[in-house]
Amino acid sequence: KAGVTQTPRYLIKTRGQQVTLSCSPISGHRSVSWYQQTPGQGLQFLFEYFSETQRNKGNFPGRFSGRQFSNSRSEMNVSTLELGDSALYLCASSLGGFAQPQHFGDGTRLSIL
Amino acid sequence: KQEVTQIPAALSVPEGENLVLNCSFTDSAIYNLQWFRQDPGKGLTSLLLIQSSQREQTSGRLNASLDKSSGRSTLYIAASQPGDSATYLCAFNNAGNMLTFGGGTRLMVKP
Repeated sequence: KAGVTQTPRYLIKTRGQQVTLSCSPISGHRSVSWYQQTPGQGLQFLFEYFSETQRNKGNFPGRFSGRQFSNSRSEMNVSTLELGDSALYLCASSLGGFAQPQHFGDGTRLSIL
Repeated sequence: KQEVTQIPAALSVPEGENLVLNCSFTDSAIYNLQWFRQDPGKGLTSLLLIQSSQREQTSGRLNASLDKSSGRSTLYIAASQPGDSATYLCAFNNAGNMLTFGGGTRLMVKP
């Protein structure tokens, strides 16, 4: 059974640009969550999608947004990139019930120049 | 707001030692906790999950315990091997599927 797949693995952007990251969950998983990992702040929750609806949201500015498609695949978008957005962005999927185990992908490394 | 602390931040041990990684939390109203390992440049690999109603879980050389009354969880690794070298993270689920992570313990097992 394939794991969580994130594309691309690496991205380099400049300040002010926007970026879209993609996540394909484990087959049968309906919940997709996104996390940001930085050396200074560690792992922080961005948002969770279930059945194409945002179910939970972390404390990030509106420049960070996401969506989920009918096949449970999810995308995360960051607009007007800032240097501080440089991070490893991780996606996790779960079956979708309450408090289910989370399974993570290998992440997208985003670097802002 | 849940706060999670992992001690120590880094640990270096010789191969074969048994070791304990600690994780403390401030809000005991949790649903479950997961222990993960993260290899450099990689995502998180789930090691163990303990539901709120459980006290411990075991998988191979790993044993994780949960004590909600004291706000602590421990990950015990028996007979450590160089392949165990990684960063270990604990994460608590106390709001649906939103995980709150500790800062991690960076483990180095020397041959």
